[in-house]
Amino acid sequence: EAGVVQSPRYKIIEKKQPVAFWCNPISGHNTLYWYRQNLGQGPELLIRYENEEAVDDSQLPKDRFSAERLKGVDSTLKIQPAELGDSAVYLCASKVTQSYNEQFFGPGTRLTVL
Amino acid sequence: SQQGEEDPQALSIQEGENATMNCSYKTSINNLQWYRQNSGRGLVHLILIRSNEREKHSGRLRVTLDTSKKSSSLLITASRAADTASYFCATDGNAGNMLTFGGGTRLMVKP
Repeated sequence: EAGVVQSPRYKIIEKKQPVAFWCNPISGHNTLYWYRQNLGQGPELLIRYENEEAVDDSQLPKDRFSAERLKGVDSTLKIQPAELGDSAVYLCASKVTQSYNEQFFGPGTRLTVL
Repeated sequence: SQQGEEDPQALSIQEGENATMNCSYKTSINNLQWYRQNSGRGLVHLILIRSNEREKHSGRLRVTLDTSKKSSSLLITASRAADTASYFCATDGNAGNMLTFGGGTRLMVKP
């Protein structure tokens, strides 16, 4: 079974530039999460999708961050414009809805904003 | 904001020794999960313990949960160099489908 796929793995941009991250969850996983992980800290939830619906985006900085999951499968997270403080690892995870079991994480995208 | 606090923040032991990590949290939970993260990689689920359970084992892992103290511990027995990683506890609260992670314990096992 293929795991959660994320691309790119690394991204270096200058501040004020836009950037986008892509995630393809495990097949059949209707719940998808985007997390941000700062260096030396645990992941913090940005947004959660149930199929194509964003059901929790309270932690998403909506002035510059946006996300979509149009067909309820893969998802894109965008930052426009990026700021120095956005440097972090952006993790995507998925799970089977209605299950209190584990989330499956992708390898993450390491973003560096110069 | 992060719900859990891991203790210690960093731990260095020799191969073969046991490693114990603790996690404290603030609000009521449905379950608590432990994840491992190797350098530069995503998180891997290790074990889940439900709020009505007190202890759970999986291979060399032993997890305890004390809901009255809002705390959990992860014990890794007979550690190996390959256990070197960051370990995070994550709580699944009443909303379900939501995990709140702690800051992690960075474990180094020296060969």
